[in-house]
Amino acid sequence: DIQMTQSPASLSASLGETVTIQCQASEDIHSGLMWYQQKPGKSPQLLIFGASRLQDGVPARFSGSGSGTQYSLRISSMQTEDEGIYFCQQGLKYPHTFGAGTKLELK
Amino acid sequence: QEQLKVSGPGLVQPSQTLSLTCTVSGFSLTTYSVHWVRQHSGKSLEWMGRMWSDGVTSYNSAFTSRLSISRDTSKSQVFLKMNSLQTEDTGTYYCARGRFTYFGHDFDYWGQGVMVTVSS
Repeated sequence: DIQMTQSPASLSASLGETVTIQCQASEDIHSGLMWYQQKPGKSPQLLIFGASRLQDGVPARFSGSGSGTQYSLRISSMQTEDEGIYFCQQGLKYPHTFGAGTKLELK
Repeated sequence: QEQLKVSGPGLVQPSQTLSLTCTVSGFSLTTYSVHWVRQHSGKSLEWMGRMWSDGVTSYNSAFTSRLSISRDTSKSQVFLKMNSLQTEDTGTYYCARGRFTYFGHDFDYWGQGVMVTVSS
């Protein structure tokens, strides 16, 4: 199985601050990397697919980048509603695997 | 409007079978796949298996032969059955619509999830 390693496990950011979350795959996943946001008590929501493609309806302050085994999610200006847990997921091979999550809080 | 709704018991006894139903609306099961994903206590997500649009299934080997996914297209429902439940199977179970793009599989719509507790 492809292992997905996220960092950091948690972080706090001030309003307007830029946030970056990293995700590393155990093998080349050829941009088959997705990012999800999960708020407390809610289901995950797709933010980014194909490493850098913004899902419809997602604010433009979210962006993704990377290739091969290294990927990142960037929030350009932290907002209150961005608090939650962020997961990466590889969609290249079965079983589809997720990172352990990064908990983002407002400072 | 695409929606998925999971239904099923919240409490299952150890060694018993879990049966969940995912009822979808706003899209067809013959066009999109439906996947099952579970989450332990707010921790990471674990992909369990999927029903492809043509009726073919795939499973995570972590569940060996315990897991079965089926569907009734006339009712727009996908079913999960998992036997020999243990306490470590406690968690929230989601169904999600799968989308296959050039970059692989992602999950663009999710059901609300159902919390399942395995306990006597």
